[in-house]
Amino acid sequence: DSGVTQTPKHLITATGQRVTLRCSPRSGDLSVYWYQQSLDQGLQFLIQYYNGEERAKGNILERFSAQQFPDLHSELNLSSLELGDSALYFCASSVLGTDKGEQFFGPGTRLTVL
Amino acid sequence: EDQVTQSPEALRLQEGESSSLNCSYTVSGLRGLFWYRQDPGKGPEFLFTLYSAGEEKEKERLKATLTKKESFLHITAPKPEDSATYLCAAGGSNYKLTFGKGTLLTVNP
Repeated sequence: DSGVTQTPKHLITATGQRVTLRCSPRSGDLSVYWYQQSLDQGLQFLIQYYNGEERAKGNILERFSAQQFPDLHSELNLSSLELGDSALYFCASSVLGTDKGEQFFGPGTRLTVL
Repeated sequence: EDQVTQSPEALRLQEGESSSLNCSYTVSGLRGLFWYRQDPGKGPEFLFTLYSAGEEKEKERLKATLTKKESFLHITAPKPEDSATYLCAAGGSNYKLTFGKGTLLTVNP
């Protein structure tokens, strides 16, 4: 158990809908990262927040957005969902704001768009 | 653009048969090279961080090494419970990790 929690574990929805994925980092970690993992693309970095502020952006679509709240939990919002958005979405956390420290991953949310 | 390439894509070993996994990276300003293990349907589990060429880290049957262009994960006398996908990731100067697509390791009893 990494100490990172994610909810829900599974999410099934229809195209065009909007969903919110939630992540609670390990106690004491200030950074939260979001990743998307699909069979053909592997693990793709989406976005990083450090202590409430956006720190780095990866291959995140404009239909996706995220935020980190004062209690350090984070939410990833996915809107106008398409079939291709079906994937595993992971949250990770680390103590540091840089990429020098190891990241600890949550169990993931499996999103299925029908 | 930062790139990480892992080989082979899949590796099948007999229990006790040692081997190595390769991770080649092209990263601007490497800040760290990370190895993770991932079991099916689960989140990646942190194994090692390597920061500079020549560095080595060990954990049970696993040893990770780093050169200026590659990292190797050596598996000595593997057991069936070592079966998993092993992911390599490079941290560059832009605060993000770039992951390789992984090596799926299967160890047969």
